[in-house]
Amino acid sequence: SYDLTQPPSVSVSPGQTASITCSGDKLGDKYVCWYQQKPGQSPVLVIYQDRKRPSGIPERFSGSNSGNTATLTISGTQAMDEADYYCQAWDASYVVFGGGTKLTVL
Amino acid sequence: EVQLVESGGVVVQPGGSLRLSCAASGFTFDDYTMHWVRQAPGKGLEWVSLISWDGDRTHYADSVKGRFTISRDNSKNSLYLQMNSLRTEDTALYYCAKAMVRGVIITGPPFDYWGQGTLVTVSS
Repeated sequence: SYDLTQPPSVSVSPGQTASITCSGDKLGDKYVCWYQQKPGQSPVLVIYQDRKRPSGIPERFSGSNSGNTATLTISGTQAMDEADYYCQAWDASYVVFGGGTKLTVL
Repeated sequence: EVQLVESGGVVVQPGGSLRLSCAASGFTFDDYTMHWVRQAPGKGLEWVSLISWDGDRTHYADSVKGRFTISRDNSKNSLYLQMNSLRTEDTALYYCAKAMVRGVIITGPPFDYWGQGTLVTVSS
């Protein structure tokens, strides 16, 4: 089975840049998307096809994917960005999620 | 406005069965692949199953293969998950989710809308 690995937690100060990584074998050959999930809420798609933002997602959210690592970057992080973030990719006919990263805005 | 409303979650004993439903509105339901994703309490997301727009193709996570069956009724804009031989490790919040892209390509698109989830608890 295909595994996606994320750091359990990332901390960032307000206004700074947060980077959350997602690692998998030859991940750069796949499309990666990212979901944000706040406590008690359903996940929200924030990045798809590595770097595209759905309508309504702020420009401070960006993504990249190369080699074995995809990265979600949040520039000028705000308190409202504190949440769990999950990367996701497809392995043949199966959907794979990373274990999730808790972003804390200190 | 796209809406996905799950129902059917209850407390059930190990070995029991349950059928979840997801009522969809606000989009052309029979154009889209649909998915079930679950989240155990305090844990991460786990994909469960998908069904193509026409119901002809289905895929399952290994953890549920042979025990769960996904289906849909396009005339009722509804998605279902029949869960048999339930185990304690199936305890989770079950979400239905819509694929972002319509049509025949069932693998690849992300999920652009999620329901609020329905809680399944497997316990004696």
